[in-house]
Amino acid sequence: ELKVEQNPLFLSMQEGKNYTIYCNYSTTSDRLYWYRQDPGKSLESLFVLLSNGAVKQEGRLMASLDTKARLSTLHITAAVHDLSATYFCAVDIYYQGAQKLVFGQGTRLTINP
Amino acid sequence: KAGVTQTPRYLIKTRGQQVTLSCSPISGHRSVSWYQQTPGQGLQFLFEYFSETQRNKGNFPGRFSGRQFSNSRSEMNVSTLELGDSALYLCASSLTLDRVGRDNYGYTFGSGTRLTVV
Repeated sequence: ELKVEQNPLFLSMQEGKNYTIYCNYSTTSDRLYWYRQDPGKSLESLFVLLSNGAVKQEGRLMASLDTKARLSTLHITAAVHDLSATYFCAVDIYYQGAQKLVFGQGTRLTINP
Repeated sequence: KAGVTQTPRYLIKTRGQQVTLSCSPISGHRSVSWYQQTPGQGLQFLFEYFSETQRNKGNFPGRFSGRQFSNSRSEMNVSTLELGDSALYLCASSLTLDRVGRDNYGYTFGSGTRLTVV
């Protein structure tokens, strides 16, 4: 059974600081997604990482994928309060004839002024 | 373009009842997946439909079922509701060019249906 593990699960940081969320997974996949979820809301797509070595950046967020290490990172640069949310990584795997997503536990990020 | 539409947004049901949730995917998307989100179990895959066929199903009891119509809209049904079925139910739509191909845009999620079983 595929496992997707994020760490840390909870992260409280000061505005202006940098930090990284890690996403490890236990089986082969060349496709990984990062989503943001605000309280009571749905999942907002942040990044689609399609191959080994993929790196994508949007504002203060940057995501990367190393399929050989089965590791993805989400790096936050100079955090601001608006980035407070829960972040999920999801691995896209082939299962019983079709694709499905397996999600990490989520990282609840709180950014304090 | 319009996003993924889920209805209703909120639902309160009594144990033993059944419920039907609806999902309209992005126009042109033929694949619809359903996920359950709970505080204890996180986000878990329920099932996926493509061209009116269920292609795979997650580890959920038979009380959970679904279907997809010719216009790609999908419904999921939960019968004999239990307290533990209280959750946010999310559907995701993807382009999926053919039965095995994948597009480069991933999955777009709807706003979800929050089901409370009392």
